[in-house]
Amino acid sequence: GIQVEQSPPDLILQEGANSTLRCNFSDSVNNLQWFHQNPWGQLINLFYIPSGTKQNGRLSATTVATERYSLLYISSSQTTDSGVYFCAVTSNAGKSTFGDGTTLTVKP
Amino acid sequence: DAGVTQSPTHLIKTRGQQVTLRCSPKSGHDTVSWYQQALGQGPQFIFQYYEEEERQRGNFPDRFSGHQFPNYSSELNVNALLLGDSALYLCASRPDSNRAGELFFGEGSRLTVL
Repeated sequence: GIQVEQSPPDLILQEGANSTLRCNFSDSVNNLQWFHQNPWGQLINLFYIPSGTKQNGRLSATTVATERYSLLYISSSQTTDSGVYFCAVTSNAGKSTFGDGTTLTVKP
Repeated sequence: DAGVTQSPTHLIKTRGQQVTLRCSPKSGHDTVSWYQQALGQGPQFIFQYYEEEERQRGNFPDRFSGHQFPNYSSELNVNALLLGDSALYLCASRPDSNRAGELFFGEGSRLTVL
């Protein structure tokens, strides 16, 4: 099956700093999503981005499907951005595979 | 527009017992998938249901079974519980008209096996 690798596994920032999270995947995919998991376990949809670039406020994402990677950018980070960020890809068969996540800690 | 809803939110079982978890998909969605998320890991795909049939399955033993009802809601059943089954169980839905469409998740059911 498709392998998904996220980096870095852990990231600690001061409030106001910028960060880039990376997601590599091993095969062609039909879909790629970025999620933020809150402390209660809820997966919050950030981006649905099979290819191209999207922006939503301080967050933006870019997927280069031909090179099998996606990047999530967080600018001017806030303490509320803390949590685990997951990348998930969906294969042609419709099965979704998650990476192991990046744990972001933003310190005040 | 109701999102994906799951029940119960928390439950505690003992080894050897059986558990049933429930999921109602987002309005307009007919495909439901279940995931297991162990502490510190990403969600792992268990199986997917469409038209009341299991369409895809991940690497989980037969102790894990499911069902989808005509109204698209779904159940996950786990028999002969093991300590290692303790996890957050997540349900996701999408419209089958777009197999690559956006997945939406419920808040999960946190299972503790003692």
